[in-house]
Amino acid sequence: EDKVVQSPLSLVVHEGDTVTLNCSYEVTNFRSLLWYKQEKKAPTFLFMLTSSGIEKKSGRLSSILDKKELFSILNITATQTGDSAVYLCAPNTNAGKSTFGDGTTLTVKP
Amino acid sequence: GAVVSQHPSWVICKSGTSVKIECRSLDFQATTMFWYRQFPKQSLMLMATSNEGSKATYEQGVEKDKFLINHASLTLSTLTVTSAHPEDSSFYICSARVPGTASTDTQYFGPGTRLTVL
Repeated sequence: EDKVVQSPLSLVVHEGDTVTLNCSYEVTNFRSLLWYKQEKKAPTFLFMLTSSGIEKKSGRLSSILDKKELFSILNITATQTGDSAVYLCAPNTNAGKSTFGDGTTLTVKP
Repeated sequence: GAVVSQHPSWVICKSGTSVKIECRSLDFQATTMFWYRQFPKQSLMLMATSNEGSKATYEQGVEKDKFLINHASLTLSTLTVTSAHPEDSSFYICSARVPGTASTDTQYFGPGTRLTVL
């Protein structure tokens, strides 16, 4: 059975702090790993990672994948209150099926 | 990016009634759509994979006779919750797959439908 574990489950920081969110996975027929941000509605796409060791960046967010150790991290630097959300990681299989982790709830206080 | 819509965005119904939720890909064709359910403070749980022109594939523990899925066209999949009960109250989200290479194969999510069964 496919398994995804995210840590920490929740995190409270102050604006300006840097956070690292973790995602470990065990998935059959792994193809890629996706990170999403979920606020009040459906998840919005952040990154897709397919290769180990290649960092993807978008503004203050970055992410990297380690396919040998089966984990990924999502970094957010200089956090802002608008970063408060649930961050979900989802390994994707060759069939296009995603298994979601329980998410990390990030709260950024002013 | 690709746009996926869901209708209705929220629905309240009485116990025992059936509710149909539509998922449409607006500017692309989706041979595969996924239906998820999300309970409060929990993650998305895949319910079923919907393939155009064929029967849906349900995940373990999901009753196919209760959650009817139809994917009659390349842009529309529907989920019907039959004889809904209060425990079916949840946030239902669909996604449409855009197949491609490993670096482009992705899903686009609809905005979700919040179902409340009284």
